Amino acid sequence: GAGVSQSPRYKVAKRGQDVALRCDPISGHVSLFWYQQALGQGPEFLTYFQNEAQLDKSGLPSDRFFAERPEGSVSTLKIQRTQQEDSAVYLCASSLIGAGGPTNEQFFGPGTRLTVL
Amino acid sequence: RKEVEQDPGPFNVPEGATVAFNCTYSNSASQSFFWYRQDCRKEPKLLMSVYSSGNEDGRFTAQLNRASQYISLLIRDSKLSDSATYLCVVIPFSGSARQLTFGSGTQLTVLP
Repeated sequence: GAGVSQSPRYKVAKRGQDVALRCDPISGHVSLFWYQQALGQGPEFLTYFQNEAQLDKSGLPSDRFFAERPEGSVSTLKIQRTQQEDSAVYLCASSLIGAGGPTNEQFFGPGTRLTVL
Repeated sequence: RKEVEQDPGPFNVPEGATVAFNCTYSNSASQSFFWYRQDCRKEPKLLMSVYSSGNEDGRFTAQLNRASQYISLLIRDSKLSDSATYLCVVIPFSGSARQLTFGSGTQLTVLP
């Protein structure tokens, strides 16, 4: 398929465990975003890449959260020493350029549902 | 105060009804506005962009009032397939940042 893919789709972690979530954006998309969606809430911005450069990480909730996109394509969101409050759906989105206008639509992946016990 | 606020609902309406959702945003410098649709346990998908002049796409009409910092979505002749959560989305003006700022969503159930 030509859409954004994420893996794993579901992850159960014990508190204190490290996890890594993967995002494969649409081929050729320059911009990549990570969002966190808690139950019953809208997605909240975590971080933004333009190619391999991480231009904004202001939404990362703590220094336990780390994201990378070393070759400007696939991205990994890593959470160290997971806590129960990290339980959420982690959504990845990509867009052709930035999303500053109506033509630069962000396309979302299906998300990774993380449950921390 | 949240940057984007929506009535959470739920809205339960019969098929064929007209339903309207409202949304307010706090950042007057916001540049772009959208409605996204999210089905249960699925990813958000763009429903439509919102322009100051108002815009229509079939049964859906979106309006933006910059002076009041208010966005609306009107759905006419509701279908069962319209049942979903509708997310009001704003892009604040902030340098190179292009992240979407979402409201909490309004849940709609269209009943047969």
